[in-house]
Amino acid sequence: QSVLTQPPSASGTPGQRVTISCSGSSSNIGSNTVNWYQQLPRTAPQLLLYNTNQRPSGVPDRFSGSNSGTSASLAISGLQSEDEADYYCATWDDSLNGWVFGGGTKLTVL
Amino acid sequence: EVQLLESGGGLVQPGGSLRVSCAASGFTFSSYAMSWVRQAPGKGLEWVTGISGSGGTTYYADSVKGRFIISREYSKNTLYLQMNSLRVEDTAVYFCAKNQGQLVDYYGMDVWGQGTTVTVSS
Repeated sequence: QSVLTQPPSASGTPGQRVTISCSGSSSNIGSNTVNWYQQLPRTAPQLLLYNTNQRPSGVPDRFSGSNSGTSASLAISGLQSEDEADYYCATWDDSLNGWVFGGGTKLTVL
Repeated sequence: EVQLLESGGGLVQPGGSLRVSCAASGFTFSSYAMSWVRQAPGKGLEWVTGISGSGGTTYYADSVKGRFIISREYSKNTLYLQMNSLRVEDTAVYFCAKNQGQLVDYYGMDVWGQGTTVTVSS
């Protein structure tokens, strides 16, 4: 069972906006910024967002992040078929003294 | 271009040991913390361990504490993970990842290698 809780699946049609939630606690999301990772099938994870809402170069502005208290969320607007992947949230946990990941959300583009 | 290339994975019996390596290039190795993250078959990501840029600070997940050791060799720009007392549940793809800064606890992972597969089975 993961320290951060994500829905196991999400879906949308091309062009839609979808959001993926990530719920934690005061020792992790409540105290630290959140990173989001995208893992395409059979590939290594790639950094999608860092510091909750900062995009590395090359990541389109269709991807955005936010947080509120002990929860964070990833929003994808203008959904495209190439966005079909697994998405993970991650942050440092001050109690566990380590990085913790969400269980992952499989996004399907219908 | 930042590149991370893992090697050393393989099949090992329960209770055995294995060392995996990660050759880094394209950045100043000593300026960045490094981490190992694993993914069991069909499962999600699990952070395993991290080491600061200076090598002076290490952190471990409870699941591997006392069994795994992370280290880095600056002359070779290489990160290591020594895995001892291996269990069936350690079976996973092990990814090497560069952190975004010197400190493991402040900077997340931004560049990942392709991973090396470790299988623990009799």
